[in-house]
Amino acid sequence: VQLVQSGAEVKKPGASVKISCKASGYTFISYPIHWVRQAPGQRLEWMGCMYLGSGDTKFSPNFQGRVTFTRDTSTATAYMELNSLRSEDTTLYYCARDSCSAGPCSMIDWGQGTLVTVSS
Amino acid sequence: EIVLSQSPATLSLSPGQRATLSCRASQNINNYLSWYQRRPGQPPRLLIYDASDRATGVPARFSGSGSGTDFTLTISNLEPEDFAIYFCQQRAKWPLTFGGGTKVEIK
Repeated sequence: VQLVQSGAEVKKPGASVKISCKASGYTFISYPIHWVRQAPGQRLEWMGCMYLGSGDTKFSPNFQGRVTFTRDTSTATAYMELNSLRSEDTTLYYCARDSCSAGPCSMIDWGQGTLVTVSS
Repeated sequence: EIVLSQSPATLSLSPGQRATLSCRASQNINNYLSWYQRRPGQPPRLLIYDASDRATGVPARFSGSGSGTDFTLTISNLEPEDFAIYFCQQRAKWPLTFGGGTKVEIK
């Protein structure tokens, strides 16, 4: 199993960023994909997840209304778009595969991370 | 949301020693708790799921215990590669939440 994320991004405040997560080595639509970011002080912050077969989504209240999850099943790629960027959104973002098809369970496989820098 | 409190924040130990990490939930989460290891420059790695089950390939020196609100990750006989940050995470209720982490550092 491999999750490969898109490269680092530099954005201005107020802009949007869209990160991709390309999956391989398993049946893409069978397991939810979570999005997690590194919060201040190194702690991890769950942003939400998408059930790739149904398209159903769950969001953290901290990001609801500002984040969108999509997927392209033809290329086995999941996407996370974060809008209205501010300096506090500068951090590392990860995608992670759930271990259960009917999750949430655990985040068993992780992408390498995508650094987003928000700066004017 | 369910708050997970990890203690201590930092644990200073020597290789070969035993590490005992705590994670306390703000409400009952049954056994719906996972532990992750995070080394510098690497993504998190799943160690333990459902409080006490080791993930595939995780060495037997890692063990988890607990249920309800109090959980423990034990690392017996610390190896050099075990010095890292450890996070707990609950899946009992949305939104999923992580603890603040415990850093295990070399004394």
